[in-house]
Amino acid sequence: RKEVEQDPGPFNVPEGATVAFNCTYSNSASQSFFWYRQDCRKEPKLLMSVYSSGNEDGRFTAQLNRASQYISLLIRDSKLSDSATYLCVVIFSGSARQLTFGSGTQLTVLP
Amino acid sequence: SQTIHQWPATLVQPVGSPLSLECTVEGTSNPNLYWYRQAAGRGLQLLFYSVGIGQISSEVPQNLSASRPQDRQFILSSKKLLLSDSGFYLCACSRGDEQFFGPGTRLTVL
Repeated sequence: RKEVEQDPGPFNVPEGATVAFNCTYSNSASQSFFWYRQDCRKEPKLLMSVYSSGNEDGRFTAQLNRASQYISLLIRDSKLSDSATYLCVVIFSGSARQLTFGSGTQLTVLP
Repeated sequence: SQTIHQWPATLVQPVGSPLSLECTVEGTSNPNLYWYRQAAGRGLQLLFYSVGIGQISSEVPQNLSASRPQDRQFILSSKKLLLSDSGFYLCACSRGDEQFFGPGTRLTVL
């Protein structure tokens, strides 16, 4: 079983739609969680950290469910520019702050 | 905030040739530095990380090595490249738990 699992997609949604991605992790002692965005042939860029209480940044909302060991990302009012691969990232306790990446979920927002 | 430079941006090398990829960081001191590889269509794999000059930890056995000769310089090397070394190599620097990536080097081994 992979340590961090994501649905690879692709998710194809129309502009303005709301889309949600889930990510599950295997280690219940995980300590930090992030969503990164990666455009084609570019480096990953930090989108947002995920806090236990959930957090929101504009159209993006991240949630953490420790009991079920999953993280979610909700994108409201999708824009064409949201098209990218979204990477779920976990830092496991005792891992010397090493990030473990999911394989990513590909999103295409259609006009 | 920190800026991460990587070069070259792209590289095509024959099997069996040596490799040297360089990463330098500006705007921070004593950073933790990381090398990742992303194979086509796959997730990022941590190769090496360093918490200081001369301190290298390897995550997976492989054909590659890393060195940190200066505080803000991190080098990835190989004596003889394999076809399986092809991929997108990313250098990263951490600030707390958050990591920030350089622009990457796309390596093709033929």
